[in-house]
Amino acid sequence: QVTLKESGPGMLQPSKTLSLTCSFSGFSLSTSGMVVSWIRQPSGKSLEWLAAIDWDGDKYYNPSLKSRLTVSKDTSNTQVFLKITSVDIADTATYYCARMDFWGPGTMVTVSS
Amino acid sequence: DIQMTQSPASLSASLEEIVTITCKASQGIDDYLSWYQQKPGKSPQLLIYDATSLADGVPSRFSGSRSGTQYSLKISRPQVDDSGIYYCLQSYSTPYTFGAGTKLELK
Repeated sequence: QVTLKESGPGMLQPSKTLSLTCSFSGFSLSTSGMVVSWIRQPSGKSLEWLAAIDWDGDKYYNPSLKSRLTVSKDTSNTQVFLKITSVDIADTATYYCARMDFWGPGTMVTVSS
Repeated sequence: DIQMTQSPASLSASLEEIVTITCKASQGIDDYLSWYQQKPGKSPQLLIYDATSLADGVPSRFSGSRSGTQYSLKISRPQVDDSGIYYCLQSYSTPYTFGAGTKLELK
């Protein structure tokens, strides 16, 4: 059974770095073809793909935020991480990790002073 | 970036209708097109992948098709539980891009 779950700080101040963790089970990111993505959704708005990392460690970023994003994975291939630097109010959203066929429940992040 | 133009933004349909939602890609995407359903407070659930393939466990009243660079999701004889917001996604090239969403209300 494939499951993913996101975790994050809940709330953070502008200009800080947001660190998110995606813990998953039911598959291994070391399997050829596997990709885990990060997507976010501001309240009441559509979805925005942010970044992805594949089984080979290749990383993909949305150019609109690329300079602020870092995606990585752990050596056991059961967790994926996303860091977003210099957050501001516009980064307030629910953040999802997904294998695209399976998504986590999301973690809400609020940027506020 | 590939733009996905989704329409309509919202629609209200009866249980006897056939509901059609479309997404037009700004360029060819080789059928790397998925459809998702999202209910309030929940994460998106995959309905259709590769434009026409039904995801596991999805009822057969959902179907996908393509005409040129326009992709369609059809719901035949929708159920009340099909209410929600529907999104298309192109995964042909990064950055992956979603449509703006279609809010479906069943009456």
